[in-house]
Amino acid sequence: QSALTQPASVSGSPGQSITISCTGTSSDVGGYDFVSWYQLHPGKAPRLMIYDVSNRPSGVSNRFSGSKSGNTASLTISGLQAEDEADYYCSSFTLTSTIFGGGTKLTVL
Amino acid sequence: QVQLVESGGGVVQPGRSLRLSCAASGFTFSSYDIHWVRQAPGKGLEWVTVISYDGSNKYYADSVKGRFTISRDNSKDTVYLQMNSLRAEDTAVYYCAKGGSGWCMDAWGQGTTVTVSS
Repeated sequence: QSALTQPASVSGSPGQSITISCTGTSSDVGGYDFVSWYQLHPGKAPRLMIYDVSNRPSGVSNRFSGSKSGNTASLTISGLQAEDEADYYCSSFTLTSTIFGGGTKLTVL
Repeated sequence: QVQLVESGGGVVQPGRSLRLSCAASGFTFSSYDIHWVRQAPGKGLEWVTVISYDGSNKYYADSVKGRFTISRDNSKDTVYLQMNSLRAEDTAVYYCAKGGSGWCMDAWGQGTTVTVSS
């Protein structure tokens, strides 16, 4: 099964908002409300940022939000901060597996 | 707090086997699915396998099906990943992760590195 499609990189200035898209098919992103987003800082364990399309785990800033329309999910980060600079991956449930996006490198200018 | 600690990584020759372990603490282990996810050098995350809370259901990525086997011992709060017929492309950091609400991975270990090389 092919990976979900994410932009390779996005950037923004502190205080701005950015959105990362995650495009799949009706067999994954479009078929279920089981899209999650993960933040990876180099050398650290991945961190869950959004689950079930738009839910934030306890401890995650409300600057992070998720949504979905059709086969495309989105992660929006508002009020960008330097600490948000990281790699972000989306993930979706499928009937027989779980698939990830190719990852997006967020640069805070 | 929730903690997952992977072990068992190392350098192994192509075609050989390796068993990874994931020791959990801080939650009711027997109530949660556990995933393995890997990240090859310079690449993105790749889901590898998942085992249900009671071990009755297991699913694998096509890339490892028939070579890798996931199992768990709920009396020891530990999940295992038996990796056979290893290939160079299996070289990666392997993370175990706790299944969360809906379908997500809400806690991750620090990872263990597997290098397949002659």
